[in-house]
Amino acid sequence: GAVVSQHPSRVICKSGTSVKIECRSLDFQATTMFWYRQFPKKSLMLMATSNEGSKATYEQGVEKDKFLINHASLTLSTLTVTSAHPEDSSFYICSAWNATSGISRGQFFGPGTRLTVL
Amino acid sequence: AQSVAQPEDQVNVAEGNPLTVKCTYSVSGNPYLFWYVQYPNRGLQFLLKYITGDNLVKGSYGFEAEFNKSQTSFHLKKPSALVSDSALYFCAVRVLYNFNKFYFGSGTKLNVKP
Repeated sequence: GAVVSQHPSRVICKSGTSVKIECRSLDFQATTMFWYRQFPKKSLMLMATSNEGSKATYEQGVEKDKFLINHASLTLSTLTVTSAHPEDSSFYICSAWNATSGISRGQFFGPGTRLTVL
Repeated sequence: AQSVAQPEDQVNVAEGNPLTVKCTYSVSGNPYLFWYVQYPNRGLQFLLKYITGDNLVKGSYGFEAEFNKSQTSFHLKKPSALVSDSALYFCAVRVLYNFNKFYFGSGTKLNVKP
């Protein structure tokens, strides 16, 4: 149990286009999901906290209009990189918080999405 | 502010030898500490966590970590390293009062040589 998926796993796009990445909790409901960005050989940087039914809260320095987050249901959060530029190329990882009691309680990570902007 | 530090970018160890990956933390209140492992182009896999109780925590794949409150450390250890343990390891702290956010250390690349 407690599986998180991301789609797509890899995407290549042209500069100036927008790209949407989906994060799904497959077997639990997640009122809170998180989006991270990872640069090559670097740590994960928390970008924003996605809250179901309300606006996302962004970490300092993250552009809200650049990285649009929508958490429309208890199992789906989307990250849209708008007007992508080469410097947006990165590995994006989501996680979902499973608040149920028991062994599956905790934060679970998706497999990541590799974004390359040409 | 909550933070986690991993002082070593890389740790090299021979197969069969014990390994240690270091982590120190700075948090307000009681720390909830975690170790994750990441293989190339993959997401994070949970190894172990410390919430409360016994300072020595045992986790997946033979790994363990010792919580040391006086030294504010949570070092990851394994008695006998395997080549397959080679990966990127992250220490993290969970902030309970702020949406359960996780803050990660900079990561340590573990190289286990045959």
